[in-house]
Amino acid sequence: DQQVKQNSPSLSVQEGRISILNCDYTNSMFDYFLWYKKYPAEGPTFLISISSIKDKNEDGRFTVFLNKSAKHLSLHIVPSQPGDSAVYFCAASGNGGSQGNLIFGKGTKLSVKP
Amino acid sequence: KAGVTQTPRYLIKTRGQQVTLSCSPISGHRSVSWYQQTPGQGLQFLFEYFSETQRNKGNFPGRFSGRQFSNSRSEMNVSTLELGDSALYLCASSLGSLAGKETQYFGPGTRLLVL
Repeated sequence: DQQVKQNSPSLSVQEGRISILNCDYTNSMFDYFLWYKKYPAEGPTFLISISSIKDKNEDGRFTVFLNKSAKHLSLHIVPSQPGDSAVYFCAASGNGGSQGNLIFGKGTKLSVKP
Repeated sequence: KAGVTQTPRYLIKTRGQQVTLSCSPISGHRSVSWYQQTPGQGLQFLFEYFSETQRNKGNFPGRFSGRQFSNSRSEMNVSTLELGDSALYLCASSLGSLAGKETQYFGPGTRLLVL
């Protein structure tokens, strides 16, 4: 059973507009969430993270929102740029002390059109 | 600071053979985790090593094993390769704090093709 779900396999956005990528989780023990960006044949690149004690974290064009009651997080990219086109993975950790074990969603492919 | 490095980048093996992949973590990082990425299953956790000890293990058969050296470098071994082992194998490093809430930094991966 998937503990981290990204229900949209793909998303297409116009350059300059906002991209919103969503992620849902089922395990209430998760206390740390991360977003990674991945290009084909490369390893994931860390983008931004959020601890469960916060509901928002911002880094430049990237903002992550966490709604613990809904077990939902989202990544906002504003403004979107063509170079943002990649697969975005949501990941969670903190499952009762399972350090070193990130649980990943299956990813959302973002296409930013010029 | 140099990032996580993995060797080799590409590998072709045949069924029944074994393979060893290598990972050098970021300097100062003591935890190394391994993941398998396939199109159908996504990124799945294999195991984590910290201070030369396996600290965590995912749901993979015993054909998948690993080890970590005193300099934190890690190797992963897959024996009796099967066609389904074809995947991108990713290594990630972090400081390894028991408090958790750590960011893992990934290497470029090793693409393994089993024929």
